[in-house]
Amino acid sequence: GAGVSQSPRYKVAKRGQDVALRCDPISGHVSLFWYQQALGQGPEFLTYFQNEAQLDKSGLPSDRFFAERPEGSVSTLKIQRTQQEDSAVYLCASSLGQGYQPQHFGDGTRLSIL
Amino acid sequence: KNEVEQSPQNLTAQEGEFITINCSYSVGISALHWLQQHPGGGIVSLFMLSSGKKKHGRLIATINIQEKHSSLHITASHPRDSAVYICAVRFPGNQFYFGTGTSLTVIP
Repeated sequence: GAGVSQSPRYKVAKRGQDVALRCDPISGHVSLFWYQQALGQGPEFLTYFQNEAQLDKSGLPSDRFFAERPEGSVSTLKIQRTQQEDSAVYLCASSLGQGYQPQHFGDGTRLSIL
Repeated sequence: KNEVEQSPQNLTAQEGEFITINCSYSVGISALHWLQQHPGGGIVSLFMLSSGKKKHGRLIATINIQEKHSSLHITASHPRDSAVYICAVRFPGNQFYFGTGTSLTVIP
C-alpha cells in the first residue's frame, strides 16, 4: 500500500527478551518518527530521523531502547531486556520533509511484555 | 509533561450535535496537528495548522497563535465520528508533544 507500514502488528514477549519493531515509511519521505503510546495515554515522542541521521533521540526512555535507519528508508526500533513497563503501542510516522509537513502514521505495533 | 492540554477528556453527544474540542499549549510552536484515533490504534492526521482556519467536510480546525489555543469542531456529528481526537504540537526542533486525547462518543 501507499501508507506507513509497521510490523509486526502484535508482539508478545517474555520479560527479559529482546524485540525488534519495523517501520516502512512512505516512499520518498525524509523524516521518520517513533512514538510510544501507553494504554489510555497520548503518544509520546521517542526519536526522529532525517534520512539516515538520528537527529533527536531525547525521548528514548533508557539505553535499552535503540533505533536505526541505516539506508534512510526502513527503520527498526529495538528494545533490549524488555520489562513490563515497555508494554505499549509503538507508532511510527513519516513526513515528506522537515518543517511544516503533515505526519502520516502507521497502525502501530502493540507490544505486550509478560 | 503538560505542554499540551485538551478538554474535555470525554465527550458524549447525540447524533447531529455540534461538537467542539479544545487544545491549549504552553509555548510557541511551529505547527499544530489534530489527529483521529480509532479503536485498535490506527491514527489519521486530520489537520496541520500554523495559523488561521482549515475546513475538511464536516470538520473545522482553528488556531489562535496569540492565545496558544486551537479548537476542532465537528458539525452534524455522526456515530462514525466516535473516536479519540488528539492534539499534537510541534515545537521548533521537531519535538512533538501530544495531548492525552478527547474520547468522543456519538450516540444515534
